[in-house]
Amino acid sequence: SAVISQKPSRDICQRGTSLTIQCQVDSQVTMMFWYRQQPGQSLTLIATANQGSEATYESGFVIDKFPISRPNLTFSTLTVSNMSPEDSSIYLCSAGDSTDTQYFGPGTRLTVL
Amino acid sequence: GEDVEQSLFLSVREGDSSVINCTYTDSSSTYLYWYKQEPGAGLQLLTYIFSNMDMKQDQRLTVLLNKKDKHLSLRIADTQTGDSAIYFCAEKNTGRRALTFGSGTRLQVQP
Repeated sequence: SAVISQKPSRDICQRGTSLTIQCQVDSQVTMMFWYRQQPGQSLTLIATANQGSEATYESGFVIDKFPISRPNLTFSTLTVSNMSPEDSSIYLCSAGDSTDTQYFGPGTRLTVL
Repeated sequence: GEDVEQSLFLSVREGDSSVINCTYTDSSSTYLYWYKQEPGAGLQLLTYIFSNMDMKQDQRLTVLLNKKDKHLSLRIADTQTGDSAIYFCAEKNTGRRALTFGSGTRLQVQP
């Protein structure tokens, strides 16, 4: 199994600012993903973080709002740009290995005032 | 597109069995998963089943898959108060590497 850590675990931010969330995996993994979980809701995929190339975004999510980096096989960042209160959510990083299991980080709880 | 549905809430007494149900629409699903989310925490992978299996047992957990009806269930034997959490069903198909999640079932275990 993969152990995933995220930083920060939570943050309170002002409208209009940006926050970068870091995701670190303890082993090399093929796939890394970013999900959003709005209050009381299920998980929605934001994008697939591709190592060495641009992320693949889901419908309704764009690179300008959620830029993603993945410089190597164990690390990725998600930036939430120009935040508004509607961006208040838990942001979760996940990583997939060759057995098709996916593990999740503890999440970053973001509150935008 | 894919759709995964779950009932929103289940309440059981401590020591009883819990059965959480999930239905999905994608006939090309390859893996189906159960995750547990405790308050304020991330998702913990509980178990998963490959689509060519119909049952998987892991200690107190039993997963049943009816591929014909596209129905998945998670049975927790001897449910404890520590099992109180939200349980998410998720599926993965051959054309998509990410998971599609259900809405989650909140399990409340009463002492």
